[in-house]
Amino acid sequence: EVQLVESGGGLVQPGGSLRLSCAASGFTFSSYSMNWVRQAPGKGLEWVSYISSSSSTIYYADSVKGRFTISRDNAKNSLYLQMNSLRDEDTAVYYCANVGDYWGQGTLVTVSS
Amino acid sequence: DIQMTQSPSSLSASVGDRVTITCQASQDISNYLNWYQQKPGKAPKLLIYDASNLETGVPSRFSGSGSGTDFTFTISSLQPEDIATYYCQQYDNLPPAFGGGTKVEIK
Repeated sequence: EVQLVESGGGLVQPGGSLRLSCAASGFTFSSYSMNWVRQAPGKGLEWVSYISSSSSTIYYADSVKGRFTISRDNAKNSLYLQMNSLRDEDTAVYYCANVGDYWGQGTLVTVSS
Repeated sequence: DIQMTQSPSSLSASVGDRVTITCQASQDISNYLNWYQQKPGKAPKLLIYDASNLETGVPSRFSGSGSGTDFTFTISSLQPEDIATYYCQQYDNLPPAFGGGTKVEIK
């Protein structure tokens, strides 16, 4: 069974940092490009970042460029998102996904003082 | 970047009605389009890929069509369990872009 399990969300003050993790199982993680997608409360889906299977290609949404860093460890079947300089508008549920048929359950990040 | 325009943003229909949602891409994306269903508090679920292919296990009342820039998603006979928000998403080019969503409610 395919599983993507996110962790690391929580409450953080504006300007703070968080590191999200996503543990993958049930499929050949190293063969798939992966993404982080977020959803602010009551809003639609917003793509955040993409990383290719070998980490050779990385993209970011303009809204997070320079503040967020995506990475992966294929040996550990894990995807990461380092989030720095967090803003109120980064408050959202963050999903790791191959943006196809594999999605995690999401982890909530709340940025508030 | 490719922009996806989805309409309507919400609709209300009766059980058994035919429901249609449209999605327009800002440039030709061939048939590289997914449709998702998302219920409150849950992750999106892939229903249709490559614009018209039904994901395994998805009821046949769901269908998709289109290519190029214009796409349609249809529920042939709306059921109470179909209450959800539906999203289109292109994967022809990076970054993958989502439509704004269509919230489907029962009248």
